[in-house]
Amino acid sequence: GNSVTQMEGPVTLSEEAFLTINCTYTATGYPSLFWYVQYPGEGLQLLLKATKADDKGSNKGFEATYRKETTSFHLEKGSVQVSDSAVYFCALSRVTSGSRLTFGEGTQLTVNP
Amino acid sequence: KAGVTQTPRYLIKTRGQQVTLSCSPISGHRSVSWYQQTPGQGLQFLFEYFSETQRNKGNFPGRFSGRQFSNSRSEMNVSTLELGDSALYLCASSSWGQGYFLGENIQYFGAGTRLSVL
Repeated sequence: GNSVTQMEGPVTLSEEAFLTINCTYTATGYPSLFWYVQYPGEGLQLLLKATKADDKGSNKGFEATYRKETTSFHLEKGSVQVSDSAVYFCALSRVTSGSRLTFGEGTQLTVNP
Repeated sequence: KAGVTQTPRYLIKTRGQQVTLSCSPISGHRSVSWYQQTPGQGLQFLFEYFSETQRNKGNFPGRFSGRQFSNSRSEMNVSTLELGDSALYLCASSSWGQGYFLGENIQYFGAGTRLSVL
């Protein structure tokens, strides 16, 4: 079946540090890949997406590239801010599963000033 | 455009009771999905409704059920509550599959209903 694996957290960084959160997936065919972010007390917000191999999704300084050969979609940001502190979820969807999203475990990011 | 609205935001119930949660999708969206979020199991898909029909279902017991109305608003019901049902229940809406082309699967989430079972 489909699955998503994220790096174990939590992750604690200082402001302006470089961020990488690893995400790998298992799925047949060509799933769409997403990163969602959840701030305390809120629902999930779409951060970025990629729908085919070698696509790069980007938003608010975050980037992730769909790597079919390594089945990965790692999230990166060059310089994190305190306001980036949140839980980040990697997810995939496949056309044959309708709009169903399969999520990774989530990675808690804390950025200290 | 108003976002996805879930009510109530918080609920406290006791074991054996039943509960109904409500979700109003973004105007024009016909797909509504429900997810359960717990610290131990993470985010798990419950079911999806599209135009009043269940289009997809996760691996949850029959105590978990849902429905969708003609205005796309959705409710989910949990009967005979167990302690393990304590969770944040998230609703998401999308327009996926509404057009001639499937389009992108962009899900918009509500803030959730936090259910505590005592």
